[in-house]
Amino acid sequence: ILNVEQSPQSLHVQEGDSTNFTCSFPSSNFYALHWYRWETAKSPEALFVMTLNGDEKKKGRISATLNTKEGYSYLYIKGSQPEDSATYLCAFAGSNYKLTFGKGTLLTVNP
Amino acid sequence: EAGVAQSPRYKIIEKRQSVAFWCNPISGHATLYWYQQILGQGPKLLIQFQNNGVVDDSQLPKDRFSAERLKGVDSTLKIQPAKLEDSAVYLCASSTRVGYNEQFFGPGTRLTVL
Repeated sequence: ILNVEQSPQSLHVQEGDSTNFTCSFPSSNFYALHWYRWETAKSPEALFVMTLNGDEKKKGRISATLNTKEGYSYLYIKGSQPEDSATYLCAFAGSNYKLTFGKGTLLTVNP
Repeated sequence: EAGVAQSPRYKIIEKRQSVAFWCNPISGHATLYWYQQILGQGPKLLIQFQNNGVVDDSQLPKDRFSAERLKGVDSTLKIQPAKLEDSAVYLCASSTRVGYNEQFFGPGTRLTVL
C-alpha cells in the first residue's frame, strides 16, 4: 500500500500571510506528482503535474517544488487571499499511472 | 470547453437501496475515472476506463458496485445494495489518455446512506 502523507491537516492564516504545505511520497518507482485545489462545492482543479527531480512550477501566487530522491514536494502560497481557502490535495503516480492521493491540507484564509 | 458533468449532485438513500451516478466527460477524453472520497480521506480510485474498456478495477467492491462506459463516452456507476460505509463523495474525472497528464474532475455526487 502506497503511503502519501500531507501536512499539516489544516491551517488557518490571515489574509496577506504566505504559507506552505508538504506532501511526502515513496521515493521509489516515481513517475509524477500532482497537486489539486478543491474548493467546497466545486470540482477539484489541477494546479501542477511535476515529473522531474528539482522541478519548480509557478501559477500566479502559487508555486511548487519537487524532490523525488527524498520523496517530498512543497506547495507555497504567497500573500494568501480568502479565495485561496480550499483543500489542497497531492497525488503520487507510479509506473501503473494510477494516482494515490493524500488526505489533503485544508487551508482557511481569514480576511 | 465544457467541463466534466456529473449528476445528481446530492443523493440520500437508505441502506440496502440502490443508487446510480452519471458522468459525462470532456469531449474527446479517452480515459475516464471514478473515485470515492470518504470524509477525512483522499480520493480513492474505484475504476478506470480507456474508451469503453476497463483498465483498472482492482479497488472496486464488485459484490455491490458496478460501472459501465457505453460507446466510450458517458459512464454510470451503480451501488446495489448500498451500505452505510458507502457514504462518500463520488468523483468522476477524465483525461486525454492514460498517462501522467492532469485529470479533469467533475463536481462530484455526495451520497448519504442512512
